[in-house]
Amino acid sequence: GENVEQHPSTLSVQEGDSAVIKCTYSDSASNYFPWYKQELGKGPQLIIDIRSNVGEKKDQRIAVTLNKTAKHFSLHITETQPEDSAVYFCAATPRSSYKLIFGSGTRLLVRP
Amino acid sequence: GAVVSQHPSWVICKSGTSVKIECRSLDFQATTMFWYRQFPKQSLMLMATSNEGSKATYEQGVEKDKFLINHASLTLSTLTVTSAHPEDSSFYICSARAGGTGSTFGSGTRLTVV
Repeated sequence: GENVEQHPSTLSVQEGDSAVIKCTYSDSASNYFPWYKQELGKGPQLIIDIRSNVGEKKDQRIAVTLNKTAKHFSLHITETQPEDSAVYFCAATPRSSYKLIFGSGTRLLVRP
Repeated sequence: GAVVSQHPSWVICKSGTSVKIECRSLDFQATTMFWYRQFPKQSLMLMATSNEGSKATYEQGVEKDKFLINHASLTLSTLTVTSAHPEDSSFYICSARAGGTGSTFGSGTRLTVV
């Protein structure tokens, strides 16, 4: 089955700097890759997603890139702000199902 | 956008009792709902997938007799933790999918069994 690895587990950046979180997946048939932000005690919120037929997608300060050949995708946050501090999860959906297989999470801290 | 409401947000129960958690899609019909469990500082682990009107599909290692899932309508799924024990204490989160691939998550339920 699908396996998703996520790095780093923790990331501390200065306000205004960029943050990059990387994920790799194992199932080449996976075709949907969302990123979620989870604040303490709350459910995950979708912040951006990308499908396998697209290499890059951007939404204001957030962008996601996908390399299907290497089976990895990355989240890029520019001009980070303290309110970006949270845990971020990547996920992959195998083509054969609608299940979300999550990475282990990255705790992002943006220092003011 | 799609909204999923989950209740209660937190519950404390005595060991041996049962607890029901509700997950509702407020502005869309959810063909599929998912239930996850999350331990502190860990990722979300899928417990089961439920489709309206049919039996839930449980992930390996999840006891279906302990975690009862009912998806009676296109807007409501419930998870009942039966005969709860302290080790069942966790953060339970549901998600709902209308169509396509994306899922919307509920706000989660913190269950504490004492």
